[in-house]
Amino acid sequence: AQRVTQPEKLLSVFKGAPVELKCNYSYSGSPELFWYVQYSRQRLQLLLRHISRESIKGFTADLNKGETSFHLKKPFAQEEDSAMYYCALKTSYDKVIFGPGTSLSVIP
Amino acid sequence: DGGITQSPKYLFRKEGQNVTLSCEQNLNHDAMYWYRQDPGQGLRLIYYSQIVNDFQKGDIAEGYSVSREKKESFPLTVTSAQKNPTAFYLCASSLVQQPQHFGDGTRLSIL
Repeated sequence: AQRVTQPEKLLSVFKGAPVELKCNYSYSGSPELFWYVQYSRQRLQLLLRHISRESIKGFTADLNKGETSFHLKKPFAQEEDSAMYYCALKTSYDKVIFGPGTSLSVIP
Repeated sequence: DGGITQSPKYLFRKEGQNVTLSCEQNLNHDAMYWYRQDPGQGLRLIYYSQIVNDFQKGDIAEGYSVSREKKESFPLTVTSAQKNPTAFYLCASSLVQQPQHFGDGTRLSIL
């Protein structure tokens, strides 16, 4: 079965501290992984995808197929990073499923 | 940013009534999706469609129906069989193997 888990519902860090939002998935095929972010009163939007291997707003994520993980990291958290973060898995049939989300709060 | 339009923004339903949520996109995307967003549960997939006149059930399709008669439109009907319809509904679209674009959502409430 396809599944995405995000173990932390809430994560609070101080400004300037490192951030890691965890994401694990289960899928027997070749996955495509994404991180989406939803800022207060804004639309859900793409943050990054594993294929592009980009760093967006200082965030990076590496796909670890051995551990079936796609953790999101940022070395120094900023207040504007406070948001809801969702990890998503896209299957080879274009089905996209999301994890339950992690609410990140950056404390000034 | 435009591209995907969901309407109405707020919708109220009486017990036993079917209601239809609209989702239109002008991005020429092939795939369209409907999700339900509940607090603490993230986004759960209701239905998705990869091409006109075809659609597949997601993880929580019971009590919902969809149609895909046009590429740009993917309406979702919440039927009276859906026992707990109060939720925030999100529509998304994408090109094949590309990230999704989301609408602003429709909040459905039961009177």
